[in-house]
Amino acid sequence: DVKVTQSSRYLVKRTGEKVFLECVQDMDHENMFWYRQDPGLGLRLIYFSYDVKMKEKGDIPEGYSVSREKKERFSLILESASTNQTSMYLCASIPFSGEQYFGPGTRLTVT
Amino acid sequence: RKEVEQDPGPFNVPEGATVAFNCTYSNSASQSFFWYRQDCRKEPKLLMSVYSSGNEDGRFTAQLNRASQYISLLIRDSKLSDSATYLCVVTLYSGGYQKVTFGTGTKLQVIP
Repeated sequence: DVKVTQSSRYLVKRTGEKVFLECVQDMDHENMFWYRQDPGLGLRLIYFSYDVKMKEKGDIPEGYSVSREKKERFSLILESASTNQTSMYLCASIPFSGEQYFGPGTRLTVT
Repeated sequence: RKEVEQDPGPFNVPEGATVAFNCTYSNSASQSFFWYRQDCRKEPKLLMSVYSSGNEDGRFTAQLNRASQYISLLIRDSKLSDSATYLCVVTLYSGGYQKVTFGTGTKLQVIP
C-alpha cells in the first residue's frame, strides 16, 4: 500500500511565524501536490512538483513556497503565517496512472 | 466556467435508496477520471476509477460520457455508512506532469 505521511495532524502557530509542513511518500512517485481545503471551497491546489527540485504554482500559491530536495519529500512553507491561512492542508502523491494518494492532513490554526 | 463542476448537495436520502451524482468537466482532452470519498475531517480516499466502458464495484457504478463531458456515480441500496462527501477528479497529462482538478464535492447524507 502507498503510504503518504504528514509531519503533524494538528498545528497551532502565531501570526508572522514561519511554518513548515512536511510530506513524505514511500512509493517513488514523481508527482506530489499540496492542497488546502476550506468549507465550501473544496480542495485548492497550492503547489505541485513533478520531479526533484522542480515546482509549479497551483491556483493559490500566494503566501506559500515549497521545497523538493528529495523525491520522497515535499515541504510546504508558510513564510509568514497569517490568520487566513488557517485551514486543512493535504499532501498527495500520484503515480503515472493518475489516482492520488493523500496524507492524513494537517489542520493548521494561525492565531 | 469551472473546470470541474459538481452539485454540492447535500443529498439527503433514506436508507436503501438509489442516488446518483454527476460531475461535468470543461477540458475535452482530459484523460483520467476518478471518484473519491471524503469522510468528515479525514483525507479523500479513492473510491473508484471511471472508464469509458463504465465500471461497477458492488453497489457503486461509475460512468463516463466523453461526448457530453460528464462522469457519474450511482449508489444503489444506500447505507448509513455511505454518508460522506464525494469528489470527482479529472486529470490530464501534459507537458511532463499530471494536471489534476478536483470538483468541490457532493455531500451525501443517508438517513435511517
